[in-house]
Amino acid sequence: AQSVTQLGSHVSVSEGALVLLRCNYSSSVPPYLFWYVQYPNQGLQLLLKYTTGATLVKGINGFEAEFKKSETSFHLTKPSAHMSDAAEYFCAVNLGGQNFVFGPGTRLSVLP
Amino acid sequence: DTAVSQTPKYLVTQMGNDKSIKCEQNLGHDTMYWYKQDSKKFLKIMFSYNNKELIINETVPNRFSPKSPDKAHLNLHINSLELGDSAVYFCASSQEAGAAYYTEAFFGQGTRLTVV
Repeated sequence: AQSVTQLGSHVSVSEGALVLLRCNYSSSVPPYLFWYVQYPNQGLQLLLKYTTGATLVKGINGFEAEFKKSETSFHLTKPSAHMSDAAEYFCAVNLGGQNFVFGPGTRLSVLP
Repeated sequence: DTAVSQTPKYLVTQMGNDKSIKCEQNLGHDTMYWYKQDSKKFLKIMFSYNNKELIINETVPNRFSPKSPDKAHLNLHINSLELGDSAVYFCASSQEAGAAYYTEAFFGQGTRLTVV
């Protein structure tokens, strides 16, 4: 069965610092990978996705993620954190049949 | 123009009551979902449904039932509400684009259900 793990339920960074949110998946077939962001009291919004092709994917709000098959990872990064980035971030896998599996989420805090 | 909309946004009700949450998508997608998000923010899929089949997460109590009057709507009915049903419920939709490509899921804003 496929699963998604996110190391660190809570990550704190200073404003302007690098953001790194970790995601690892287990899958016996090539996965399709997504990062979503959830702001307080809102729904989930897609940040970026990997399906096929280039393994470095750029998304909205300056975020990017790199698919590394050998490490079964899809970590999310942003060079410089902004206060508005504070939110909950979810990594998700779709292995087909429209079966989305979400990781447990990582809460990002940005300190002034 | 909202892509996936759910109503109501907040729902407070007493134990034992029956309630419904409505969901509509105007994206022309063929698959819709219901997710439950608990107090620790964990997202758990409850149902996925397209015009071919309903897939039910086996851990979901049969007090929960999805109803789809048409392709654009997937409502969630909950009977005999319990305290443990308190959570945020999200509706989502996606388009199955074939074996070579998978699209993302689009989410509604959520319905915060509080059972007292």
